[in-house]
Amino acid sequence: DQQVKQNSPSLSVQEGRISILNCDYTNSMFDYFLWYKKYPAEGPTFLISISSIKDKNEDGRFTVFLNKSAKHLSLHIVPSQPGDSAVYFCAARVNYGGSQGNLIFGKGTKLSVKP
Amino acid sequence: NAGVTQTPKFRILKIGQSMTLQCAQDMNHNYMYWYRQDPGMGLKLIYYSVGAGITDKGEVPNGYNVSRSTTEDFPLRLELAAPSQTSVYFCASRASTDTQYFGPGTRLTVL
Repeated sequence: DQQVKQNSPSLSVQEGRISILNCDYTNSMFDYFLWYKKYPAEGPTFLISISSIKDKNEDGRFTVFLNKSAKHLSLHIVPSQPGDSAVYFCAARVNYGGSQGNLIFGKGTKLSVKP
Repeated sequence: NAGVTQTPKFRILKIGQSMTLQCAQDMNHNYMYWYRQDPGMGLKLIYYSVGAGITDKGEVPNGYNVSRSTTEDFPLRLELAAPSQTSVYFCASRASTDTQYFGPGTRLTVL
């Protein structure tokens, strides 16, 4: 069973517009969420994170929103740029039992930003 | 400061062969991880280590072994390669914060 779900395999937006990538989770024990960005033939790179005690975190063009009651988070990119074209992974931190700090990843959403 | 390095970048194995995927980090991180990523799927945790001499299984450990004799190195061993192990393998490390730093990956094909 998937504990972290990214239901949109792909998303296409126009340069300059907003990109919204969504992520749902099922485990209420997750207490920290991260977004990673991955270009082809490279490893994932950390983008932005949010603690479960917050509902928003901003870093430049990137903002992550967390709705705990809905077990939903979203990544907003404004304005979108062609260099943002990549696969974006949502990840949730496991912080119980013996697995402190381990991450569970969604399947990813491929973002294409068209000039 | 090279971060997390992985070798080789690519490898083709025959069924039943064995190999070791190398991973090294120069950030003095205690935590290290091995993931595999299959096409269209997220990263699945194979094994992890919380420090030298300590390793534990992740979600998909079958067919793999690891060791952690030093803080810097965390090799992943495949003993009897199977087609189901065709995947891209990523190594990662982290310090006490939650951000994991990933290597560039090893693309493995088992024929």
